[in-house]
Amino acid sequence: NAGVTQTPKFQVLKTGQSMTLQCAQDMNHNSMYWYRQDPGMGLRLIYYSASEGTTDKGEVPNGYNVSRLNKREFSLRLESAAPSQTSVYFCASSARTSGSYTFGSGTRLTVV
Amino acid sequence: AQSVSQHNHHVILSEAASLELGCNYSYGGTVNLFWYVQYPGQHLQLLLKYFSGDPLVKGIKGFEAEFIKSKFSFNLRKPSVQWSDTAEYFCAVKDPRGNTPLVFGKGTRLSVIA
Repeated sequence: NAGVTQTPKFQVLKTGQSMTLQCAQDMNHNSMYWYRQDPGMGLRLIYYSASEGTTDKGEVPNGYNVSRLNKREFSLRLESAAPSQTSVYFCASSARTSGSYTFGSGTRLTVV
Repeated sequence: AQSVSQHNHHVILSEAASLELGCNYSYGGTVNLFWYVQYPGQHLQLLLKYFSGDPLVKGIKGFEAEFIKSKFSFNLRKPSVQWSDTAEYFCAVKDPRGNTPLVFGKGTRLSVIA
């Protein structure tokens, strides 16, 4: 099915461990985004990539890095996980300048 | 910078009751406005959007929203809710110039009881 695929769906990390969240879309969208969702906080933008080859910080970039590997793939890396990064992470994509996002099913990350 | 306020954190309604969820944004220029819905355990899906033209926008599943420019508002409405409308609803705003990302509100959780 066409859409945004995120892996893994669930992950438990120990404080200080690193991991990469993967995201791929097959809709030929130019723009991709990483959000985190926390209770009562809504969705907060971590990083985005307006087009292949560019990345920009969002509202809460500290502790994260991203890579726009190609037009399809946009990964999010936690270099040294902290309990404050326990959250649900959503990747999304859109056609350039569009606000109609397609979201992935999310990654539930717990840092202990 | 743009921001979005959703006034209600949690709304509880009985089936068949009417729904109105508030959304206000802070941006003086032209905006694109969106409502997204997240059903329990699922990802966000687009419910409806407003770019220009008729300020009353109809979306999926009987939802509609009205853009009132003078009030910087984009409230979501449904005449008669169903149990299956139980979800979290997010309002979002976008500057249509360039490729700036959506800015989301904190969301409103809707619980519909029988």
